[in-house]
Amino acid sequence: DGGITQSPKYLFRKEGQNVTLSCEQNLNHDAMYWYRQDPGQGLRLIYYSQIVNDFQKGDIAEGYSVSREKKESFPLTVTSAQKNPTAFYLCASSIGEGLGYTFGSGTRLTVV
Amino acid sequence: AQSVTQLDSQVPVFEEAPVELRCNYSSSVSVYLFWYVQYPNQGLQLLLKYLSGSTLVKGINGFEAEFNKSQTSFHLRKPSVHISDTAEYFCAVSDYGGSQGNLIFGKGTKLSVKP
Repeated sequence: DGGITQSPKYLFRKEGQNVTLSCEQNLNHDAMYWYRQDPGQGLRLIYYSQIVNDFQKGDIAEGYSVSREKKESFPLTVTSAQKNPTAFYLCASSIGEGLGYTFGSGTRLTVV
Repeated sequence: AQSVTQLDSQVPVFEEAPVELRCNYSSSVSVYLFWYVQYPNQGLQLLLKYLSGSTLVKGINGFEAEFNKSQTSFHLRKPSVHISDTAEYFCAVSDYGGSQGNLIFGKGTKLSVKP
C-alpha cells in the first residue's frame, strides 16, 4: 500500500544535539511538507518542497533544516539552535497544489 | 492572506446526539476546503473535501459538510455521533489560484463524545 512513513515514532534528544527525523513516501507525490504541532496551536508549517532539490521556509523555519535529494525522501533536522524542540512533528505529501495532503503518523520529539 | 477560524476549541456531546463543528475562512480567491481528523498520537486523516460542484459534501464515518460561499463557512456535521468519533478535527483551506497552494489549517476542535 502507498503511504508516508515517519520514523522513529518517539525520539529523545539531549540539549545541544542535532537530531534528524525521517519521512519517506511511495505515493509518487511531488510536494512534501513538515509541520510542528503543539497543544492548542494547530499545525505550523516548518518547511516545504514542491520539487526535488528545492525547498522553501515555512512560518517557523528557524532552528530547522531540510534536504530533498530524492522525490521519496524529505528528512528534517532539528538543530541545537531550536530552543524549544519538544513537540509532535508531522510530515505530509501532496499530488498537486491545493489538492489536499496525505499525512504520516508523526514523530514525538522530547528534549531530556 | 488566507486564514481559518474554528470557532470552538472543545465540543462535548453525548453519544447518539447530532454535532456541528464550525469553520470559517477568509480568502480573496477561490478555495478548496478540507476537514481532517486526528486520533491521539496519530497523523491526520482526510474526512472530506470540497473542490467544486455540489456544496454538500459527504465524507467517511458518516460526516458531511456544507460549503457556504456567502458566509465563507464550511461547517462539519454528523447526525448521530459515536464514542469512537472522539478526536480532534481540523479545518483547512487552500487557494488554488494563489501563489503556493499550501493548506492553511485552523487550530482544531476537540470533540469529546460521552456515553
